[in-house]
Order: sequence, then C-alpha cells, then structure tokens
Amino acid sequence: EAQVTQNPRYLITVTGKKLTVTCSQNMNHEYMSWYRQDPGLGLRQIYYSMNVEVTDKGDVPEGYKVSRKEKRNFPLILESPSPNQTSLYFCASSLRAQGLYNSPLHFGNGTRLTVT
Amino acid sequence: DAKTTQPPSMDCAEGRAANLPCNHSTISGNEYVYWYRQIHSQGPQYIIHGLKNNETNEMASLIITEDRKSSTLILPHATLRDTAVYYCIVRVGNFGNEKLTFGTGTRLTIIP
Repeated sequence: EAQVTQNPRYLITVTGKKLTVTCSQNMNHEYMSWYRQDPGLGLRQIYYSMNVEVTDKGDVPEGYKVSRKEKRNFPLILESPSPNQTSLYFCASSLRAQGLYNSPLHFGNGTRLTVT
Repeated sequence: DAKTTQPPSMDCAEGRAANLPCNHSTISGNEYVYWYRQIHSQGPQYIIHGLKNNETNEMASLIITEDRKSSTLILPHATLRDTAVYYCIVRVGNFGNEKLTFGTGTRLTIIP
C-alpha cells in the first residue's frame, strides 16, 4: 500500500533530550516536507526537500534539523527540544518537486510530541 | 506564493451541496489551487486541484473564476463523514522555491 509512515505516533520527552521523528514513503517521491500544527495557527512548514541531499527551510525552521540521505526517508531531528516545540507534526511527500504541480501531497498520520 | 483567505467555519445540511469559498486574489499564472481536508487530527487528505479549468473527481468539484482570484470547492451531497477542516492552498506550478503555506482553513460541520 502506498503510504507515508511516521514514527512514533506519540512521544513525551523532557527539555533538552535529543529526539528523532522518522518519516518514510514507499512511492519513490522526490519531494518531502515536515509541518507542525498548532491550535489557531493551521499547518506551518518546517523544512522541505526537493530531492536526495537537497533540503531547505520552511517558515518555522528554528530548533529543527533534517536530512535526506535516501529518497524514501526524511527524519526530523530536535537536538534540544523545548516546551514550545510541543505540537502535532506531519510529514508529507509528493511525486515531483519541480515542473508542473500535478502531484498532490500525501501526508502521514502525524506525531504528537509533548516536551515537558 | 499567493496567500489564501477562507471563512473560519460553515454549516451544511446532510444531503445538500456544500460550497466552500476561497479567495486567492494574488495568485500567479502558474500557481495551482489545491484543496485538502483534515478529519480530527489525522493527516490532511488530498481532495482536488486545478489551474484554470473547472475540475471534477469522485470526491468533489472545483470551480475557479475566470480571473482565477477565487475558487469554490463543491461537495455535491454532503454526508456526516465530510465534517472536517478544509484547506485551500496555492502551489507554484513551475521551477522555483517550493514552499507551501496552509492557512487555518474552514471548519465544515455537516448537520444531520
């Protein structure tokens, strides 16, 4: 089944303890992206990747890192999490990153992160 | 990228057509209009997209005005399962920086 898989679904951690949220897609998609969702603020883009080894900042990149060493994986890294990073996180992918955008985004089921 | 404006909430009676408007007055010629919906806290689900012609698929219809400054998503026979937050976004349709901005969307409630 074609899908975007995020892990874990739920994560509770403490301030300063490094964590990684994994994202994997099995559709050979070029484009991948991370979003966070907070009440009243909608979905905000954190980082995106146009292809392997190509990443760029979205609208709210501070406090996050990403890597794209393989086409299928796009992990989100929080080196030193803080309580203001408590949020619902979504990973997404689409077939093409450039050219005509006839390639919808496919989203994972989300990771709910709580930083205490 | 063009910004979009949507009403924060709407109600629709079950079985009726739900018409969700979106304003994107600063849209450029190569920007596609996309619609997604999010049920509870699940991942957003793709519904439909278009450039300038009206589009229809098994889920919905998309009507884009001739000047492309606004569009309407139509769910022809709304059911209770269509209760969700609906997002209208525009996406650059050519080479360039890929940045997407989801606004706060429209919370659609289907009334039995």
